[in-house]
Amino acid sequence: AQKITQTQPGMFVQEKEAVTLDCTYDTSDQSYGLFWYKQPSSGEMIFLIYQGSYDEQNATEGRYSLNFQKARKSANLVISASQLGDSAMYFCAMRETMMDKLVFGAGTILRVKS
Amino acid sequence: EAQVTQNPRYLITVTGKKLTVTCSQNMNHEYMSWYRQDPGLGLRQIYYSMNVEVTDKGDVPEGYKVSRKEKRNFPLILESPSPNQTSLYFCASRTGYLGTDTQYFGPGTRLTVL
Repeated sequence: AQKITQTQPGMFVQEKEAVTLDCTYDTSDQSYGLFWYKQPSSGEMIFLIYQGSYDEQNATEGRYSLNFQKARKSANLVISASQLGDSAMYFCAMRETMMDKLVFGAGTILRVKS
Repeated sequence: EAQVTQNPRYLITVTGKKLTVTCSQNMNHEYMSWYRQDPGLGLRQIYYSMNVEVTDKGDVPEGYKVSRKEKRNFPLILESPSPNQTSLYFCASRTGYLGTDTQYFGPGTRLTVL
């Protein structure tokens, strides 16, 4: 069965510094996708970045990058140059290619300090 | 603007009073899903639909019904709500043509059952 583990319930980071949010996953499938979503206090789910299991290079989207280590089954999100607006809940999620369901981790609350 | 809309955004109701949360998408997506979000559990899939008149259970379907009579609409029905259905609900859609395409989420419906 698919499972996502986010071991950091909460994180603090100083403005302008980089931060890594951890995510490990479990699946027996070879073909899957990994996603990160941001949920600000207003509640909406904002898609940040995607990594396919067969992608050889780590995904990057602006200040977001995904540190994908397939053998370790980890997909950590790196946010560079943190901004106050990055304060939010962050969810890691996975979908096996032939499934519709996104399986989510419990989330990590990130607080950026000025 | 491409979007998923949900109504109502907030709802307080009483045990046993039937309610419907509407969901509509304007992106001509094949796949639509409902998720509920609870603290410490992330988001869990309730039901999904791969096309008109095709629906299937997700991980937590008990106490919910759905229908997909039109491609754009996917309402969530609670026939007899109970307090344990108090949660934040999200509708989501995606094209479904690729196993790894991005899921778009609605703004969420915060439901309280007294």
